Amino acid sequence: DTGVSQDPRHKITKRGQNVTFRCDPISEHNRLYWYRQTLGQGPEFLTYFQNEAQLEKSRLLSDRFSAERPKGSFSTLEIQRTEQGDSAMYLCASSPGGKLFFGSGTQLSVL
Amino acid sequence: AQKITQTQPGMFVQEKEAVTLDCTYDTSDPSYGLFWYKQPSSGEMIFLIYQGSYDQQNATEGRYSLNFQKARKSANLVISASQLGDSAMYFCAMREDMEYTGNQFYFGTGTSLTVIP
Repeated sequence: DTGVSQDPRHKITKRGQNVTFRCDPISEHNRLYWYRQTLGQGPEFLTYFQNEAQLEKSRLLSDRFSAERPKGSFSTLEIQRTEQGDSAMYLCASSPGGKLFFGSGTQLSVL
Repeated sequence: AQKITQTQPGMFVQEKEAVTLDCTYDTSDPSYGLFWYKQPSSGEMIFLIYQGSYDQQNATEGRYSLNFQKARKSANLVISASQLGDSAMYFCAMREDMEYTGNQFYFGTGTSLTVIP
């Protein structure tokens, strides 16, 4: 059990560029979650997978955001045409059905 | 309506004293779970304690206890004998067990706790 791994830890990009983040959950955890957290706020739900199925997506999530979890293992979160308002910490968490186990997050800065 | 409400943006406590962090929740689901997470300045989210909606007794984990009042929909975290290392953000969270969409977690806005030596 190596914990939830996220890559990269930090990403700096220019407005308008596309970015992709990767999350490797704890093996055998069938549930995977993406959250966004801005300074001084709690994690905000983005989307949730059970195995390879994306069961829920936040209504706050624009069409520029997309997530995949092929084969129910790792997951990717892509943001197209980034905006300065996308600057945040993107947290991934996995769960076997009880509590959430979080990764260290990817800090995105959009210049 | 907010699913999780934490009304204390910041709290201070003297070292070795006890402190209570407030949390209220809103759900119509009879089956749910309540969690507290700690987030130090380093950023990682650390699980502290869990309370199930059907649990009869309040949960305890070492110096942490959860004061669960179901009728009032509150799940306050009590930290006893505060230590300097307890200074961090604390988040209350709720898991709803939805029939068709599985588990969904909601987080509050957090309480910043500062332990004074």
